[in-house]
Amino acid sequence: DGGITQSPKYLFRKEGQNVTLSCEQNLNHDAMYWYRQDPGQGLRLIYYSQIVNDFQKGDIAEGYSVSREKKESFPLTVTSAQKNPTAFYLCASNGKTTPNYGYTFGSGTRLTVV
Amino acid sequence: SQQGEEDPQALSIQEGENATMNCSYKTSINNLQWYRQNSGRGLVHLILIRSNEREKHSGRLRVTLDTSKKSSSLLITASRAADTASYFCASPNQAGTALIFGKGTTLSVSS
Repeated sequence: DGGITQSPKYLFRKEGQNVTLSCEQNLNHDAMYWYRQDPGQGLRLIYYSQIVNDFQKGDIAEGYSVSREKKESFPLTVTSAQKNPTAFYLCASNGKTTPNYGYTFGSGTRLTVV
Repeated sequence: SQQGEEDPQALSIQEGENATMNCSYKTSINNLQWYRQNSGRGLVHLILIRSNEREKHSGRLRVTLDTSKKSSSLLITASRAADTASYFCASPNQAGTALIFGKGTTLSVSS
């Protein structure tokens, strides 16, 4: 079945650590996105990529980094510079490079700072 | 930045009743989309309405779009307990590169 796989489902980070969230899709989609969701909030865009080896900052990119070395993969690293990383992280993909079609979402990674 | 804002924030109804959620947005758009999110899960795309459309149906879902008022509504008819979820509207950002989501409406359907 085609879809997006996010792993791990739950992740715990100690203060000062970098952690990487995985996002893999087998939909052959060009565009991929990372969103952050806090309780009672909507989704906020962190980074997006419309093509391999290229990505753009979203509204809240500070403290995060990404790479897009393969079409299928778009990992997100939460660095120690992100002061409040506890949140639910969602990865999405889109068959086109413009947001004029529905996104497919993964099931999310819940990150907690301990 | 958030393009869309849903209203109400929370809605509780009985099974069989209709549920209406509204979304207002700020800038001109070429499409507006609605998504559902079950607790602790990812979002699922429900329906997309383009700026030249006024109404669209999909099963028990009916979406309207009023570009003059910059608003949209999602109607779920004959609600079921399984419709309990959060519902988000989303529209393209000003650059046309990604979707911007509202804060959502939490719908609770009791049997």
